[in-house]
Amino acid sequence: NAGVTQTPKFRILKIGQSMTLQCAQDMNHNYMYWYRQDPGMGLKLIYYSVGAGITDKGEVPNGYNVSRSTTEDFPLRLELAAPSQTSVYFCASSYIDDTEAFFGQGTRLTVV
Amino acid sequence: KNEVEQSPQNLTAQEGEFITINCSYSVGISALHWLQQHPGGGIVSLFMLSSGKKKHGRLIATINIQEKHSSLHITASHPRDSAVYICAVGESGGGADGLTFGKGTHLIIQP
Repeated sequence: NAGVTQTPKFRILKIGQSMTLQCAQDMNHNYMYWYRQDPGMGLKLIYYSVGAGITDKGEVPNGYNVSRSTTEDFPLRLELAAPSQTSVYFCASSYIDDTEAFFGQGTRLTVV
Repeated sequence: KNEVEQSPQNLTAQEGEFITINCSYSVGISALHWLQQHPGGGIVSLFMLSSGKKKHGRLIATINIQEKHSSLHITASHPRDSAVYICAVGESGGGADGLTFGKGTHLIIQP
């Protein structure tokens, strides 16, 4: 059972480039989340989804987009990367809210 | 929005010591999570609790809903317990908009 799988683990982007961070879960979870973790700060919610076809903004959505075409996948798109998007990104899932959260291994992104 | 405070921010202890990490939050919650993050690694869920106490091996988590406070205890600490421990809460009333996280407690257990 793979749980939550994120790819890539590391990436360096140039300012203005775009990329997609992939997230997949095999637990048939309805809820999926994208967080970013910055040094000395708690994780912040970027976007979340409560099921296929349904997404909503979190606390820090600017500069990002998401889609949820299937229950398993929840990719995060960065358009026009900026140095402020340098961070570690975590995808997470849970069956519903108020249940155990499962996290991916993280993607360390540097924008230069 | 809930504010989650953890203490201490950093803790260095000797192997075998009893460890306590504290978490307080500002408004009612549906559940509190304790998470573990090893350096350069992913995040693993240790406990989710909404009342009372839970135990798993050498780890114990307690919560006092009235005082809006939770503690994570590690008995007979070991160098492999060295990690960042994160407290996170889900908002009371449900809703899918994720968890609110503390900044984490960086724990080092020296042999």
